[in-house]
Amino acid sequence: AQSVTQLGSHVSVSEGALVLLRCNYSSSVPPYLFWYVQYPNQGLQLLLKYTSAATLVKGINGFEAEFKKSETSFHLTKPSAHMSDAAEYFCAVRLHNYGQNFVFGPGTRLSVLP
Amino acid sequence: NAGVTQTPKFQVLKTGQSMTLQCAQDMNHNSMYWYRQDPGMGLRLIYYSASEGTTDKGEVPNGYNVSRLNKREFSLRLESAAPSQTSVYFCASSRMNTEAFFGQGTRLTVV
Repeated sequence: AQSVTQLGSHVSVSEGALVLLRCNYSSSVPPYLFWYVQYPNQGLQLLLKYTSAATLVKGINGFEAEFKKSETSFHLTKPSAHMSDAAEYFCAVRLHNYGQNFVFGPGTRLSVLP
Repeated sequence: NAGVTQTPKFQVLKTGQSMTLQCAQDMNHNSMYWYRQDPGMGLRLIYYSASEGTTDKGEVPNGYNVSRLNKREFSLRLESAAPSQTSVYFCASSRMNTEAFFGQGTRLTVV
């Protein structure tokens, strides 16, 4: 079965510091990959997506992610954290099958310290 | 453009009661999904509908039923609610080979 792992259920960074959230997936075929953000009591909002074009993907709010096939990874980064980045982040893969279902990682809660 | 709309936003049920969660999308998407979100477990797929007229079980279908009423609407029914079904439920929709769009969620508590 497909799986998505996110290292660290909770990550804390200082305002202005680098943000690095890790995502690894298990798949024999490179899937479509996504990062979503969820603010408290809200739905999930797409940050960025990889759909087999450029391996370095830029998203909203200054985030970017790099697809590395050899490492089966899709880590999310932002050079300088802002207080408004505090939220929960989910990595997801979309499978190449009939239903093309999405499989989500368990999420990483990002705290930004002043 | 409303996107994905879920109703209700909040609900408290007693054990054994039934209810239906409603979801509608206005983006002409073929695929629709129901997920539940529990702390530390991410989103788990309950049921999905790859196209109008089809539905399939996901990872955690027990205790739930779905209806794809038409291309726009996909409802989730709890026939006899249990405390283990206390969760936040999300509906989503998508086209082929791209991202899912999510509703704002339904926070359900079963007492």
